[in-house]
Amino acid sequence: SQQGEEDPQALSIQEGENATMNCSYKTSINNLQWYRQNSGRGLVHLILIRSNEREKHSGRLRVTLDTSKKSSSLLITASRAADTASYFCATRSGSARQLTFGSGTQLTVLP
Amino acid sequence: DARVTQTPRHKVTEMGQEVTMRCQPILGHNTVFWYRQTMMQGLELLAYFRNRAPLDDSGMPKDRFSAEMPDATLATLKIQPSEPRDSAVYFCASGLGRGPSNQPQHFGDGTRLSIL
Repeated sequence: SQQGEEDPQALSIQEGENATMNCSYKTSINNLQWYRQNSGRGLVHLILIRSNEREKHSGRLRVTLDTSKKSSSLLITASRAADTASYFCATRSGSARQLTFGSGTQLTVLP
Repeated sequence: DARVTQTPRHKVTEMGQEVTMRCQPILGHNTVFWYRQTMMQGLELLAYFRNRAPLDDSGMPKDRFSAEMPDATLATLKIQPSEPRDSAVYFCASGLGRGPSNQPQHFGDGTRLSIL
């Protein structure tokens, strides 16, 4: 079963605009990770946020975590065509050994 | 840049044939993961190794799938006999750390498998 679910499933924006993707999860987590997947390629780790953190930045990426609402958001500012990809959140809950990935948000940035 | 290398990148074969997929993890990484990605199921963990020992293969159909790490530089995933429902992209990932989620996972570019 999927722990994290991304929303929206697909998002299309113009270059230069900001893109926001959301992830909701069901059970308490230790941390949450965001990954990007370009077409035909493997996943690339973007950022990890721990359960005791509320916000984290990396370049044009901003991730927030609200454990009371069991949700996280990924904001990409000043988007570029190269940001076109699928974005996944991944979580591990409790004593689970594995990382569970959501179904992803397909982001298209139009030039 | 160190990368996870997977071979082959593409494999097309007939039902019933044995399929072997190989993965070279990043040198020095002590954890290796095998995932399967399909449109319907998304990304599913099949098996997970730490220091070459299998820790979790509960996601893998045991009757036909097997995963091994003959040495620290090679992980293999075998399907015998293969079935059309095994068609998917299989990813290997490696990491460094104690658990599967307290570390970034570094993915290879996958093996796209088609079983006819």
